[in-house]
Amino acid sequence: DQQVKQNSPSLSVQEGRISILNCDYTNSMFDYFLWYKKYPAEGPTFLISISSIKDKNEDGRFTVFLNKSAKHLSLHIVPSQPGDSAVYFCAAEDTDKLIFGTGTRLQVFP
Amino acid sequence: DTGVSQNPRHKITKRGQNVTFRCDPISEHNRLYWYRQTLGQGPEFLTYFQNEAQLEKSRLLSDRFSAERPKGSFSTLEIQRTEQGDSAMYLCASSIGDSREGYTFGSGTRLTVV
Repeated sequence: DQQVKQNSPSLSVQEGRISILNCDYTNSMFDYFLWYKKYPAEGPTFLISISSIKDKNEDGRFTVFLNKSAKHLSLHIVPSQPGDSAVYFCAAEDTDKLIFGTGTRLQVFP
Repeated sequence: DTGVSQNPRHKITKRGQNVTFRCDPISEHNRLYWYRQTLGQGPEFLTYFQNEAQLEKSRLLSDRFSAERPKGSFSTLEIQRTEQGDSAMYLCASSIGDSREGYTFGSGTRLTVV
């Protein structure tokens, strides 16, 4: 049973435009969420996180939004750059371990 | 310190053989995690250590899997009597604090069981 879901396996965006990656979760007890980015042949790297006491967290070009009532979060990348092309994983913290979604492959084209 | 190091990068083994992977975390990180990732899936939690103590082990982990972290430094993950279903990328990560601090992952060990 997938507790963290990323229903879009892939997304293609033009350079300079906004990329929006979505994530849904089923367990209302989850109260902390993280996004990781993964390039081929490398391990995932931590990108940004959000606590359930907030509905938005921003770090440079990256913003994460959390809608607790809908059990939904999204990662916005503005403006998108070719170097952002990677697989993005959403994760929920669950008693000191992370539960990851299946990932969304983002491709940013010129 | 160059980050989290995992060896070997690739391992091909025959079904039924034992394999051992090594992870060297960032030296000042007291927590060390093992995850497994199969094709099309996100990383799946296996186990984690705080210093040398193994604090949690996934119930999905069969008794063929064992992990150690002697002296709270490097860690090893051993799989006994490998099966084809064990084929996956095995990822190690370390952190100073808990999972909310964000991990530093290694590049992983890709295991292929033939």
